[in-house]
Amino acid sequence: KAGVTQTPRYLIKTRGQQVTLSCSPISGHRSVSWYQQTPGQGLQFLFEYFSETQRNKGNFPGRFSGRQFSNSRSEMNVSTLELGDSALYLCASSWREMREQYFGPGTRLTVT
Amino acid sequence: ELKVEQNPLFLSMQEGKNYTIYCNYSTTSDRLYWYRQDPGKSLESLFVLLSNGAVKQEGRLMASLDTKARLSTLHITAAVHDLSATYFCAVDSGTYKYIFGTGTRLKVLA
Repeated sequence: KAGVTQTPRYLIKTRGQQVTLSCSPISGHRSVSWYQQTPGQGLQFLFEYFSETQRNKGNFPGRFSGRQFSNSRSEMNVSTLELGDSALYLCASSWREMREQYFGPGTRLTVT
Repeated sequence: ELKVEQNPLFLSMQEGKNYTIYCNYSTTSDRLYWYRQDPGKSLESLFVLLSNGAVKQEGRLMASLDTKARLSTLHITAAVHDLSATYFCAVDSGTYKYIFGTGTRLKVLA
């Protein structure tokens, strides 16, 4: 069974631009979560989706948004990028109700 | 709000030695997970602990959960260099999100 995939793997953007990251969960998994990892703040929860519904959102500004499609694939969008948005963005999926999460390889975003 | 604390943050140990990483959390939860992360890589699931008293072992690592004390431990037996990585605990908040600990960066010296 294929694991969680994330695209792109690396991204360099300029301040003020926007970016969209994509995550394809393990087949059959319906819950997708997103996390931001930085050296200073560690792993922080962004949001969780289940069957196209956002069930929880972390303490991030409204510039961070996401969605989930009917095939469980998920995207997150960050608008008006700031230098502090540089991070590793990790996506995780689980087959139901936030049980064991399996993480994708991450997208490394660098904002210059 | 649920808070998760890990200690130590950094751990440098000699090969062959034993040590324990601690994960304390602030509110009730009976689901806790341990992950390993190698530099520049994603998180690899190590253990899933789903009830009070749960104990899991894999190779030189053993994890346990005491929900009454709100404490989980990750014990390393006879450390080897390949165990060098950062270890995270994560607690299920019960509201569709995990809260991660700060991580413990382990370096095993030959």
